[in-house]
Amino acid sequence: DTGVSQDPRHKITKRGQNVTFRCDPISEHNRLYWYRQTLGQGPEFLTYFQNEAQLEKSRLLSDRFSAERPKGSFSTLEIQRTEQGDSAMYLCASTGYQETQYFGPGTRLLVL
Amino acid sequence: AQSVTQLGSHVSVSEGALVLLRCNYSSSVPPYLFWYVQYPNQGLQLLLKYTSAATLVKGINGFEAEFKKSETSFHLTKPSAHMSDAAEYFCAVSENTGNQFYFGTGTSLTVIP
Repeated sequence: DTGVSQDPRHKITKRGQNVTFRCDPISEHNRLYWYRQTLGQGPEFLTYFQNEAQLEKSRLLSDRFSAERPKGSFSTLEIQRTEQGDSAMYLCASTGYQETQYFGPGTRLLVL
Repeated sequence: AQSVTQLGSHVSVSEGALVLLRCNYSSSVPPYLFWYVQYPNQGLQLLLKYTSAATLVKGINGFEAEFKKSETSFHLTKPSAHMSDAAEYFCAVSENTGNQFYFGTGTSLTVIP
């Protein structure tokens, strides 16, 4: 068990560019979650997968955001046409057949 | 609908003093409750969790929390603060199905030497 990993840890991009983040959950964890955290706030739910199926999406997830988990293992979160308001920490978490979510270190995005 | 309220966005205690971080929740079903700690530029680390077993839950680093259904509270305590406890603390609630978590806005703990 190596924990949840995320890549990259930091990303700086210019407004209008596309970015993609990767999350590798704890092996054998079937559920994977994406959250967004802005300064001074708690994490806000974005979307959730059970195996490869995306079961729930927040209203926060605009059409510019898309997430995939094609083989039920790692997941990617893509933001198209980034805006300055997208600057935040993007957190990934995973859980197995129990209720505790284990979080990765996050990807900090800065949109200039 | 579920939500979490953390009273006090900033708490300062002296080293060796009692730490008390407050969390009140709202849930239409029996909740699962969690406390996480976050150090600067890092992800969230689980401190402890309540899952309908014992109401007094002991976690890592000497922290504990008590589930009080009548008060809809799950306050986090530690008898004696250490400098290394300085961090951001988040309370979270989820439904039995373990779907999305609802987080509070966090409490920043400062420990004064």
